[in-house]
Amino acid sequence: DSGVTQTPKHLITATGQRVTLRCSPRSGDLSVYWYQQSLDQGLQFLIQYYNGEERAKGNILERFSAQQFPDLHSELNLSSLELGDSALYFCASSVTQQGAAELFFGEGSRLTVL
Amino acid sequence: QKEVEQDPGPLSVPEGAIVSLNCTYSNSAFQYFMWYRQYSRKGPELLMYTYSSGNKEDGRFTAQVDKSSKYISLFIRDSQPSDSATYLCASLGGRGQNFVFGPGTRLSVLP
Repeated sequence: DSGVTQTPKHLITATGQRVTLRCSPRSGDLSVYWYQQSLDQGLQFLIQYYNGEERAKGNILERFSAQQFPDLHSELNLSSLELGDSALYFCASSVTQQGAAELFFGEGSRLTVL
Repeated sequence: QKEVEQDPGPLSVPEGAIVSLNCTYSNSAFQYFMWYRQYSRKGPELLMYTYSSGNKEDGRFTAQVDKSSKYISLFIRDSQPSDSATYLCASLGGRGQNFVFGPGTRLSVLP
């Protein structure tokens, strides 16, 4: 158990809908990262937050947004969903905001868009 | 060209074999190199971490980095069925950079 909790584990929805994925980092970790994993693209970095502030952005679509709350949990909002958004979404946390540090991953939220 | 590339496999080996997993990277700014293991329906977990060229050993696992050729390897000795998983290499640049993952190599160790 990595200590990172993600909900929901599975989500099935329709195109055009909006969903929210939730992540609770390990106790003491201030950084939260969101990754998207699909069969053909591998693990793609979406966005990073550190102590409530956005720190880095990767290949995150404009239809997607995220935030980190004062209690350090984070939410990833996906809107106007398309079939291609079907993927595993992972949250990871680490102690530091940058530099070499181990990432601890949750078990992921599997999103299926029909 | 992707920044980190690896053969997706699948790679099947018999129990007890030596496994060699490889990655190449293109960004000379990468300084830190990691191997993550991901079991089916689970999140990745860190296996090995190194920041210099050369070898780093941890039990049955050896990570090797050759910065001159931008080549990263993971060797697994005496492979076990429990090693069956997807292995992701990852690289990290300097300050302000973020982790870049390879697509992963799926390994099956057959009893």
